[in-house]
Amino acid sequence: GENVEQHPSTLSVQEGDSAVIKCTYSDSASNYFPWYKQELGKRPQLIIDIRSNVGEKKDQRIAVTLNKTAKHFSLHITETQPEDSAVYFCAATPRSGKLIFGQGTELSVKP
Amino acid sequence: NAGVTQTPKFRVLKTGQSMTLLCAQDMNHEYMYWYRQDPGMGLRLIHYSVGEGTTAKGEVPDGYNVSRLKKQNFLLGLESAAPSQTSVYFCASSFKETQYFGPGTRLLVL
Repeated sequence: GENVEQHPSTLSVQEGDSAVIKCTYSDSASNYFPWYKQELGKRPQLIIDIRSNVGEKKDQRIAVTLNKTAKHFSLHITETQPEDSAVYFCAATPRSGKLIFGQGTELSVKP
Repeated sequence: NAGVTQTPKFRVLKTGQSMTLLCAQDMNHEYMYWYRQDPGMGLRLIHYSVGEGTTAKGEVPDGYNVSRLKKQNFLLGLESAAPSQTSVYFCASSFKETQYFGPGTRLLVL
C-alpha cells in the first residue's frame, strides 16, 4: 500500500549545526511533497513543499531535495536555532490524491 | 480571516458516550479532512470531503462518521466512544494540495 517512512525519529543537534531529515515513499506516481513543522501543543504548519518536476527548493535556512528515481526526499535545515526545535513531518501525495504522512522527527536544538 | 477553527479544544468522554467535533473554514476551500494524531504514528486520515455534500473514508474510518452539509463546515461524530479513540484530532482544509490545519481537539475517553 501507500506509505511514507521517515528517519530519524529523534534528532539532537548543537545550535548552529545542520539537521537533515529523510523520507522515502512507496508510490512512484507521488507528485507533491510537503514538510510540516509542529511545535508542542500547536497545529502542524507548512514550512516548505516541492513538486515532482523540481529537484531542489530552498527558502532561507531550509531546503528540500527530491530524488524521484530512489523515491526519497529530504529536509535540510542549516544554522539551526533553538526555535527550530519541534516535530517535523514529511508527507507525499500518491495517485490516490490523499496526503500520506511520515511518522515524524522530533528535532532538539541545544543552545 | 480565522482560517481553520475547531470546537471544542478539549473534551473528556466516558466509554459509550457520543459527541460531535466541529471544523469550520473561511477560505472557501473545497477539500476538508479529519486526522487523528497519536504518539509515534504521525497523522492518520479518518475521513475527508471533496466538496459540499460529499464524504469519503480515509485510512482509519471505523468508529467515526462525518457530514459536510455546508461547504465551510465538516463535522466528525463519535457514536459510541471507546478508550482507543483517545487522541488529538486535527481538521484541515485545502484548495489544491496544500493543507491548512486547525488548532486541534484533545479528546480523552475514560
